[in-house]
Amino acid sequence: DQQVKQNSPSLSVQEGRISILNCDYTNSMFDYFLWYKKYPAEGPTFLISISSIKDKNEDGRFTVFLNKSAKHLSLHIVPSQPGDSAVYFCAASLGGTSYGKLTFGQGTILTVHP
Amino acid sequence: DSGVTQTPKHLITATGQRVTLRCSPRSGDLSVYWYQQSLDQGLQFLIQYYNGEERAKGNILERFSAQQFPDLHSELNLSSLELGDSALYFCASSTLDGNYNSPLHFGNGTRLTVT
Repeated sequence: DQQVKQNSPSLSVQEGRISILNCDYTNSMFDYFLWYKKYPAEGPTFLISISSIKDKNEDGRFTVFLNKSAKHLSLHIVPSQPGDSAVYFCAASLGGTSYGKLTFGQGTILTVHP
Repeated sequence: DSGVTQTPKHLITATGQRVTLRCSPRSGDLSVYWYQQSLDQGLQFLIQYYNGEERAKGNILERFSAQQFPDLHSELNLSSLELGDSALYFCASSTLDGNYNSPLHFGNGTRLTVT
């Protein structure tokens, strides 16, 4: 049972345009959502997070949107840069003492073309 | 550089053997987490330790065990290895236990190949 799904295995975007990565989840008890970026031969790097009490969080070029009724979150990157090319994972947590027990999606490979 | 150090980077061993993976968390981090990334399962939570005590468990096999030492480094022991245990094993650390302002920081992983 895959509780967190990233339905797009890959996304290709032109430099300077917006990248939108999507993630759906099934467990309504998830309380905290995160996005991680991963380059080859490296571990996942934390990008941005959002609590279930919010519907938007911004950090520089990165914005995460949460739609609880649709059980959907998205990551917007504006403007996209070639250095953003990586695998992006969304993750969810039940919070509380299970805060660090993250359930990850399968990842989306983002390619930003110069 | 996340500050989380994992050794070794690569490990090749045979079925039935036992290996130990080591993780040093970021300075000041009390929580250590172990995750497994396999081709078919993606990144999966195995176990968490907080200040030396087991805090949470995921779908960790009984053949696997972990511990966190007084200096806060952690070891993941994998025994009676099977071909299906071949995967990337990531360690992560965070400052606090159960705090939204303390995201997990991951090491670069140990790639285990069981032949």
